Amino acid sequence: QSVLTQPPSVSAAPGQKVTISCSGRTSNLGINPVSWYQHVPGTAPKLLIYENSERPSGIPDRFSGSKSGTSATLGITGLQTGDEADYYCGSWDSSLSVYVFGTGTEVTVL
Amino acid sequence: EVQLVESGGGLVQPGGSLRLHCEVSGFIFSDYWMSWVRQTPGKGLEWVANIRQDGGEIYYVDSVKGRFTISRDNAKNSVYLQMNHLRAEDTAVYFCARKVGDMWGQGTMVTVSS
Repeated sequence: QSVLTQPPSVSAAPGQKVTISCSGRTSNLGINPVSWYQHVPGTAPKLLIYENSERPSGIPDRFSGSKSGTSATLGITGLQTGDEADYYCGSWDSSLSVYVFGTGTEVTVL
Repeated sequence: EVQLVESGGGLVQPGGSLRLHCEVSGFIFSDYWMSWVRQTPGKGLEWVANIRQDGGEIYYVDSVKGRFTISRDNAKNSVYLQMNHLRAEDTAVYFCARKVGDMWGQGTMVTVSS
């Protein structure tokens, strides 16, 4: 059972913005950085954000991340049909000594 | 170009064993922690295990402790996942990942069924 909670789904029209929340605990988000991943089923997941708000090379600035306390947020602006995927947050849990992924959020472009 | 290529998946009966192999190229393997992550059908990502650069520190998710063993061979640029006493709930696509996912392989399917 995941200890990071995300909304099951979000949707918006092309060009619009969506935000995905990730709620955790002191032992994970409270003291460790969050990463965000994009996963299209049947393909390899892709890292979008690391260290709360850093983007790997090649990830457009339409993707942004933030963290405050035990919550984190992924924002996607200028939504495109190619952004349809499942999105996961992830963080190390220092109490459990495991890496935890969020429950996942399906993004739909209307 | 960074590449991670998994192999070793397949169909196995409950209680059986499989050994997954991930061979990497395009980066200095011995500089990085490595992980295995799985996705069960219709469900989300689940981190399974990771291993430090020298193999001296290892962590597992509770559900596989005592059944799975992660290891690595830095001379062969490879990380392994030995899976014993497999259960139906271990059925998943297993991904190899650098660190905890800055780079990923394409995955290998493991099906545990009689």
